Amino acid sequence: DTGVSQDPRHKITKRGQNVTFRCDPISEHNRLYWYRQTLGQGPEFLTYFQNEAQLEKSRLLSDRFSAERPKGSFSTLEIQRTEQGDSAMYLCASSLGGAGTGGEQFFGPGTRLTVL
Amino acid sequence: LAKTTQPISMDSYEGQEVNITCSHNNIATNDYITWYQQFPSQGPRFIIQGYKTKVTNEVASLFIPADRKSSTLSLPRVSLSDTAVYYCLAQGGATNKLIFGTGTLLAVQP
Repeated sequence: DTGVSQDPRHKITKRGQNVTFRCDPISEHNRLYWYRQTLGQGPEFLTYFQNEAQLEKSRLLSDRFSAERPKGSFSTLEIQRTEQGDSAMYLCASSLGGAGTGGEQFFGPGTRLTVL
Repeated sequence: LAKTTQPISMDSYEGQEVNITCSHNNIATNDYITWYQQFPSQGPRFIIQGYKTKVTNEVASLFIPADRKSSTLSLPRVSLSDTAVYYCLAQGGATNKLIFGTGTLLAVQP
């Protein structure tokens, strides 16, 4: 257990539905990341928060995806109008540190999304 | 961030030392070399990180030559539980985001 939790662990939904995932990082960590991982591939960066500010978004993050981190603590990732191609493991990670420190990221167990 | 290249898979036996080499020809001055381990259905776990020369912790050693164009992760006396995917990454920049490749699948046999 890294101290980062994600909920739910598994989600099955029908195409076109909206889903929301939650990530609770390690409490003192100011940085929070979302990644997506498909079978046989390494995780892909989606977006990054420093405290409550979303500072970077990948081009992978279409306008159907939105992420928030109100109050700089937990974060949510919402996918609207899900598509079968959204089926993947969604990973959250948190870290502490400033730019250029190469800080260790602590990953949660992930939320596995299956879109039928 | 620099692209890294590593073998797709490696085989080893219990008790052996395993060395996984990674090439990163275009590494930036402020990038760190970081290795993560991932078991099926789990998030990646940090193993070790270095900038240059040698770094050692309780689970691994990391060797980075002076030109920093490659690095080698060394796992001493592997066990069956070390069977996993190992990712080599160049980490840095303002966000420290991680850019993963496909990693190296290490299979440890009895």
